[in-house]
Amino acid sequence: DAGVIQSPRHEVTEMGQEVTLRCKPISGHDYLFWYRQTMMRGLELLIYFNNNVPIDDSGMPEDRFSAKMPNASFSTLKIQPSEPRDSAVYFCASSPPGGAFNEQFFGPGTRLTVL
Amino acid sequence: DAKTTQPPSMDCAEGRAANLPCNHSTISGNEYVYWYRQIHSQGPQYIIHGLKNNETNEMASLIITEDRKSSTLILPHATLRDTAVYYCIVRVVGGGADGLTFGKGTHLIIQP
Repeated sequence: DAGVIQSPRHEVTEMGQEVTLRCKPISGHDYLFWYRQTMMRGLELLIYFNNNVPIDDSGMPEDRFSAKMPNASFSTLKIQPSEPRDSAVYFCASSPPGGAFNEQFFGPGTRLTVL
Repeated sequence: DAKTTQPPSMDCAEGRAANLPCNHSTISGNEYVYWYRQIHSQGPQYIIHGLKNNETNEMASLIITEDRKSSTLILPHATLRDTAVYYCIVRVVGGGADGLTFGKGTHLIIQP
């Protein structure tokens, strides 16, 4: 079975450019999470969706970050404009319906480098 | 969510049982204990969770003390592929999923 799919796996861009990260959750899962991991701050939740609706975006660092989930099989995390401090590994995760026990399935991550 | 305390690192010989401790002295009655691990350059992976009874699955066993203030994750026969950072997380369950709060975890190194 396909797990959570993220693209691209690596992204190198210059400061000021727009960056779009993509995620395809596991089919049938109705929760989708975006996390960011850095050496300094560890793994942090940015935003999560339930049935394509954003539920909690309190972890989104600032207005430069936005996330969308236009349908059950696709989500994007956009950074515009990007800054060097956005360099991190970004993980997408999904959870099955109900979600009460919160077993989350993580993708392989996108390593973002902003020069 | 209750805070957890884990040792920053541990070593274990290949083939032996790896016992990873976690203190969660402020855990509430409706909070579960979860364990995830993150192998280098991969996304975190769910291992196991429990409330108050000991739990076992194909990956590991979870032992929770009677007062629920601490727990131990046991990998019964550690292999080199078990080298990873292990995260202990406590959280309320019910009402739907929400985000996980990861601490610094324990870096488990399996020695050949």
